[in-house]
Amino acid sequence: DIQMTQSPPSLSASLGNRVTITCRASQSISSYLNWYQQKPGKAPKLLIYAASSLQSGVPSRFSGSGSGTDFTLTISSLQPEDFATYFCQQSYRTPLTFGGGTKVEIK
Amino acid sequence: EVQLVESGGGLVKPGGSLRLSCAASGFTFNNVWMSWVRQAPGKGLEWVARIKHKSDGETTDYAAPVKGRFTISRDDSKNTLYLQMNSLNTEDTAVYYCSREDSSGYFIWFGCWGQGTLVTVSS
Repeated sequence: DIQMTQSPPSLSASLGNRVTITCRASQSISSYLNWYQQKPGKAPKLLIYAASSLQSGVPSRFSGSGSGTDFTLTISSLQPEDFATYFCQQSYRTPLTFGGGTKVEIK
Repeated sequence: EVQLVESGGGLVKPGGSLRLSCAASGFTFNNVWMSWVRQAPGKGLEWVARIKHKSDGETTDYAAPVKGRFTISRDDSKNTLYLQMNSLNTEDTAVYYCSREDSSGYFIWFGCWGQGTLVTVSS
């Protein structure tokens, strides 16, 4: 199975800050990497697919990069509605696997 | 409006069975692959099972922890996805989400999610 490791597990940041979350795959997955945002009690929401493609309707302050084993999700200027947990997920092969999540909290 | 609505969750004793349903609307259900993803309380996301569409043979795939106990199926005439869960144990306690798999070329992602249904396995 392909293991996905996210870091950090949590972070505190202020409004307007730039935030970077990393995701590492246990083997190369090319660009088969997706990012989701989840708020408490809600279903996950797709932000980025294929490592760097922004899902329709998602604000442009979100961006994704990387290929192979190392990926990043960047929020260029943190907004109040961005406080949530973020998950990466590989779609290179089954079993489809997720990272452990990064909780973004208010500083 | 694209919508996925899960139902069928509840409290079940260890060793028991439950069948979840996911009613789809707002898109052409028989054209898409579908998956179940679960989330144990306070934990991360775990993919459970996938079913492809009829054109791809309705092929199924399962995560190791549920293989042989869970069965994913679909009824395209009813636009409904199912998850039959047998021999449940406490580690199956989770919110279960159904999700539509969207794709572009070989790239696949979970583009649409239901609101989830809670399954609690406890004596």
